[in-house]
Amino acid sequence: QITLRESAPTLVKPTQTLTLTCSFSGFALSTSGEAVGWIRQPPGKALEWLALIYWDDDKRYSPSLKDRLTITKDTSKNQVVLTMANVDPADTATYYCARSFYTSGTYGYWGQGTLVTVSS
Amino acid sequence: DIQMTQSPSSLSTSVGDRVTITCRASQTIGNYLNWYQQKPGKAPQLLIYAATSLQSGAPSRFSGSGSGTDFTLTISSLQPEDFATYYCQQSHTNPYSFGQGTELDIK
Repeated sequence: QITLRESAPTLVKPTQTLTLTCSFSGFALSTSGEAVGWIRQPPGKALEWLALIYWDDDKRYSPSLKDRLTITKDTSKNQVVLTMANVDPADTATYYCARSFYTSGTYGYWGQGTLVTVSS
Repeated sequence: DIQMTQSPSSLSTSVGDRVTITCRASQTIGNYLNWYQQKPGKAPQLLIYAATSLQSGAPSRFSGSGSGTDFTLTISSLQPEDFATYYCQQSHTNPYSFGQGTELDIK
């Protein structure tokens, strides 16, 4: 059974760095072809793709956020970590991690999401 | 970036209706088009991938068509559990952008 779960602080102050952790089971990110991505959704708004990490440690970032994002993986812990620097209230959103399926940009398994609020 | 535009943004429908949602990409994406269903407070669920392939477990009343820049999601006979928001997404080019969503509600 494949599961993913996000964890993060619920409240972060502007200019701080946000760390989001995706803990997963049922697959190994060390297996050729595997990838995990991050997607976010501000309250009442559409989904926004953020970043992706492949089994071979290759990484992709949304160009609009590239300077603020870092994605890493710990295959021994079955975790993917996304850090976002210099957060702003506009970064308030539910953050999802998801396992790639069929193509790296297609997501067949999702975590339940974690709501992060950026406010002073 | 590739812009994905869905229409309509919302639709009032009834159980049993045939529903069609369209999605247009700002540049050609071949068949790299996915459809997701999202219910309130829940994560999106993949319905259709590669424009026309039905995800395992998704009901057969859902179907996808199109290629290039114009795509369609069709629900052949709307069921009560289908009232949700639907998103298209292109998986052709980073960033893998989503449409703005189409919300189906009960007429």
